Amino acid sequence: NAGVTQTPKFQVLKTGQSMTLQCAQDMNHEYMSWYRQDPGMGLRLIHYSVGAGITDQGEVPNGYNVSRSTTEDFPLRLLSAAPSQTSVYFCASSYGDLSIGQYFGPGTRLTVT
Amino acid sequence: KNEVEQSPQNLTAQEGEFITINCSYSVGISALHWLQQHPGGGIVSLFMLSSGKKKHGRLIATINIQEKHSSLHITASHPRDSAVYICAVDHGNEKLTFGTGTRLTIIP
Repeated sequence: NAGVTQTPKFQVLKTGQSMTLQCAQDMNHEYMSWYRQDPGMGLRLIHYSVGAGITDQGEVPNGYNVSRSTTEDFPLRLLSAAPSQTSVYFCASSYGDLSIGQYFGPGTRLTVT
Repeated sequence: KNEVEQSPQNLTAQEGEFITINCSYSVGISALHWLQQHPGGGIVSLFMLSSGKKKHGRLIATINIQEKHSSLHITASHPRDSAVYICAVDHGNEKLTFGTGTRLTIIP
């Protein structure tokens, strides 16, 4: 199994550009989440999904969209990039059965200039 | 006040020492997670617990639901344990709120 994969690993955007961060998992996990990690602030939940077709907002959803058309994929879209979205983004997935924790992808480092 | 507080923020210890990292939270939760972030940035889930105690190798995690407190212990610490340890509370549906982490450095 590849686990949780994220692409790209690094990205530089100009203010106002849009892009999609890709996340995929091959473990048939129902639950998937997107987090951002900023220095001194810890990880923060952006959006999450409890199954295909179901998404919900986390703590910091503004400026981001998600969709979950399949169990495997959970892309994160930046609609109009802003310097405040410079961060490291992690995708995670789990069975959601309260017995095993989340599996994290390797992260995407995004810089918005 | 943050919903999830970890202490200490930084910890340096000699190899072989017994390590304790603490996590306090302020709301009711369905579970608590302990995570390890490697110096290279990768994040690994260590424990997910809703009561009592769990052990895996040299790592032990405990939780006291009534006191809203959890601890992560490392026995016989080793330089390879050097990492950031993160506590996160689960509000249900694995909707997590994270602490800011404890940076652990083990000196040979």
